[in-house]
Amino acid sequence: DTAVSQTPKYLVTQMGNDKSIKCEQNLGHDTMYWYKQDSKKFLKIMFSYNNKELIINETVPNRFSPKSPDKAHLNLHINSLELGDSAVYFCASSPSRGEQYFGPGTRLTVT
Amino acid sequence: GESVGLHLPTLSVQEGDNSIINCAYSNSASDYFIWYKQESGKGPQFIIDIRSNMDKRQGQRVTVLLNKTVKHLSLQIAATQPGDSAVYFCAENIYNQGGKLIFGQGTELSVKP
Repeated sequence: DTAVSQTPKYLVTQMGNDKSIKCEQNLGHDTMYWYKQDSKKFLKIMFSYNNKELIINETVPNRFSPKSPDKAHLNLHINSLELGDSAVYFCASSPSRGEQYFGPGTRLTVT
Repeated sequence: GESVGLHLPTLSVQEGDNSIINCAYSNSASDYFIWYKQESGKGPQFIIDIRSNMDKRQGQRVTVLLNKTVKHLSLQIAATQPGDSAVYFCAENIYNQGGKLIFGQGTELSVKP
């Protein structure tokens, strides 16, 4: 069974479009995160939710809007996509703000 | 500011040799560190962690050393195998900021048969 899953795995879209990435964890964790990994493999936190409540927002443009319908899901919606949004986006979850379990990633390519 | 950095971006070792990957951090108040392994096309995978009240922690073929005096930690992999080839990240867990991870640059480990 997949612990943290993301869909889609690949996403290719044009500038200006709006897209969403979905994340689900079946570990029963309370906290979920979104990270962005750039072309140089650098990983940076974007958002974190604890029990559906936003607790971290790392100066991400407001074109990015996370939504947590329940504590097992954390989706990421991106409006007006730009070339610089091209990256791999990782969802992660943790039981108590400690060790984090990562999903397989979503490779977003904006053309 | 917050930063966790690595000294070497790439490391090439012979199969069977030991590997050492280094990491420096800047926040002296940090008390929890994690090493992750990322294989191509996959998400980071937990390897081992260490808290600041420890200097050393051992797992299966891996050892993490923490030197708080110089704000440095290292990951040692014994008898490196081809399956160890990956990018390795150290990460600093900021508990009072929602448990967010501050990642280092990453070191790509290549194991030669």
